[in-house]
Amino acid sequence: RKEVEQDPGPFNVPEGATVAFNCTYSNSASQSFFWYRQDCRKEPKLLMSVYSSGNEDGRFTAQLNRASQYISLLIRDSKLSDSATYLCSYGGSQGNLIFGKGTKLSVKP
Amino acid sequence: EADIYQTPRYLVIGTGKKITLECSQTMGHDKMYWYQQDPGMELHLIHYSYGVNSTEKGDLSSESTVSRIRTEHFPLTLESARPSHTSQYLCASSPARESYGYTFGSGTRLTVV
Repeated sequence: RKEVEQDPGPFNVPEGATVAFNCTYSNSASQSFFWYRQDCRKEPKLLMSVYSSGNEDGRFTAQLNRASQYISLLIRDSKLSDSATYLCSYGGSQGNLIFGKGTKLSVKP
Repeated sequence: EADIYQTPRYLVIGTGKKITLECSQTMGHDKMYWYQQDPGMELHLIHYSYGVNSTEKGDLSSESTVSRIRTEHFPLTLESARPSHTSQYLCASSPARESYGYTFGSGTRLTVV
């Protein structure tokens, strides 16, 4: 299994749509999971941590499935400003975060 | 307001020159990292440090070197720049505990001509 796999997209959705991204990871012992947002030619910014019981922040919901080793990000009521690349990351065996290649989201009017 | 600073923001330099990219953080984080990222591509870890006088090479083979003499400062040096070094260089930091994510600087966009 690759260290991390993400569907690169692009996901092209209309405003108001609900969109979900998945990310599979290989380190079953990892305790830390995150979603980052990266705008074009900018640095990644932490969007939210992912907790075992799942967590919500406004229109964003993150979930962790340890049995299948994947994390997910759900965005409800998409806004134009949500257009960006979303990177998943998790704690690797060396103590560093492993980052996915990112999923590109484009929200259209 | 940024808690991790990178300078310069943009740099165009000739082949063969020695350059140092600066990275400083004011959060007292123990861990610091350097990533290389080409436009639209994934992040590649090139160096990291878990504390003063501790540095390690990352996954991507790099001709750069780093130093960590002070907690807040983690500069990256290219002894002899080449066009293949043209890329964006991102510095990041995190607390010692793994449960905290990374904070990234705004990056240095390097062009070697």
